[in-house]
Amino acid sequence: EVQLQESGPGLVKPSQSLSLTCSVTGYSITSNYWGWIRKFPGNKMEWMGYISYSGSTSYNPSLKSRISITRDTSKNQFFLQLNSVTTEDTATYYCARSARTYYDGTYYYWGQGVMVTVSS
Amino acid sequence: DIVLTQSPALAVSLGQRATISCRASESVRSSMHWYQQKSGQQPKLLIYGASNLASGVPARFSGSGSGTDFTFTIDPVEADDIATYYCQQSRNDPDTFGAGTKLELK
Repeated sequence: EVQLQESGPGLVKPSQSLSLTCSVTGYSITSNYWGWIRKFPGNKMEWMGYISYSGSTSYNPSLKSRISITRDTSKNQFFLQLNSVTTEDTATYYCARSARTYYDGTYYYWGQGVMVTVSS
Repeated sequence: DIVLTQSPALAVSLGQRATISCRASESVRSSMHWYQQKSGQQPKLLIYGASNLASGVPARFSGSGSGTDFTFTIDPVEADDIATYYCQQSRNDPDTFGAGTKLELK
């Protein structure tokens, strides 16, 4: 069974960086695509970006200057860094495995999520 | 970005049919997917590619549509189905999500 587990600080100060880890068991991150999605208070969801099986990345243009997704294949983990956070980055952050097919598109299997609050 | 529009809430009776709609601001062909999120849990994939049932999902869940108009149906509704349902498109980057439809009991 594939399991994804997010970890990281639940509280970050404004202007600092948010750093989260997604630990994956039951599936190698050198296969498939692995991403981050966040859900804001009030239910809006935003796809943030992914890192591929080869290590290539793609980011939401709305975040492109602040986001970085990296990985450690030896630990089967991938990471999110979001710089210069504001209170508007307060959200529940999910890591996800994406499945892709030519006809159906890209859909997601989600981790449990971690709530991050940006506050001084 | 493609905007997905869902009704905020739907009230249904147990044993009845629930139909949730999702309208896209432009065509997404069949690249529409549906998730269920219960309180305190992560979203769970139910339907992918507009009409394909995800593994292990009961057959009373179904999806249809293509282009800009999509429908998600639960028939019959059970008590365990009380949750918020989200649509997601992957036709155009970036992937986008609807605001969710909260399923409530009458």
